[in-house]
Amino acid sequence: GAVVSQHPSRVICKSGTSVKIECRSLDFQATTMFWYRQFPKQSLMLMATSNEGSKATYEQGVEKDKFLINHASLTLSTLTVTSAHPEDSSFYICSANRQEANSPLHFGNGTRLTVT
Amino acid sequence: GNSVTQMEGPVTLSEEAFLTINCTYTATGYPSLFWYVQYPGEGLQLLLKATKADDKGSNKGFEATYRKETTSFHLEKGSVQVSDSAVYFCALRSYRQAGTALIFGKGTTLSVSS
Repeated sequence: GAVVSQHPSRVICKSGTSVKIECRSLDFQATTMFWYRQFPKQSLMLMATSNEGSKATYEQGVEKDKFLINHASLTLSTLTVTSAHPEDSSFYICSANRQEANSPLHFGNGTRLTVT
Repeated sequence: GNSVTQMEGPVTLSEEAFLTINCTYTATGYPSLFWYVQYPGEGLQLLLKATKADDKGSNKGFEATYRKETTSFHLEKGSVQVSDSAVYFCALRSYRQAGTALIFGKGTTLSVSS
């Protein structure tokens, strides 16, 4: 069964509103989670690394004020797309892994965001 | 920097054909290598992995061997099925620690017809 749960799977919002996406590790604690963005027919681009109890680390070119990440507990990270615009429409995927070395990353099923 | 290059798709095959999807990487040190699969409308699933040179990962008839001398991790399957139609991503992780993200290739779309 799924070990990383992501919610919602789809969301449609109007320009200017904010949308929160949740990522939960179901049966393990994750001090680190990762947020990716996937454009149509393209690869997954790492947006940021979410660190429990501290600030997220953003990749170059990702606006931290637009994509707010909160990792308040060892099993939950949230990504909030603030003041969404149509160009933010994309597929967002979170991932996490167990603490052990060489542990593979498990991915959520993704969130399809459409901004109208 | 670290990067993954995989063959451009789409790859179109008939059922029972042999599949190869090429993947090469650039990385410092000794990365772990992965293949993930994304079926239509779904998230990513780990297909197989290899953590050191000459390791062979295998799952569901798919195989890939970690070749350090050629910095490659090509995905192969001897006889594809229609149900294998999906997007395949090659990926690497530079360090073995838990808190390191994956770097992905651009993905290769495989379409298998009966």
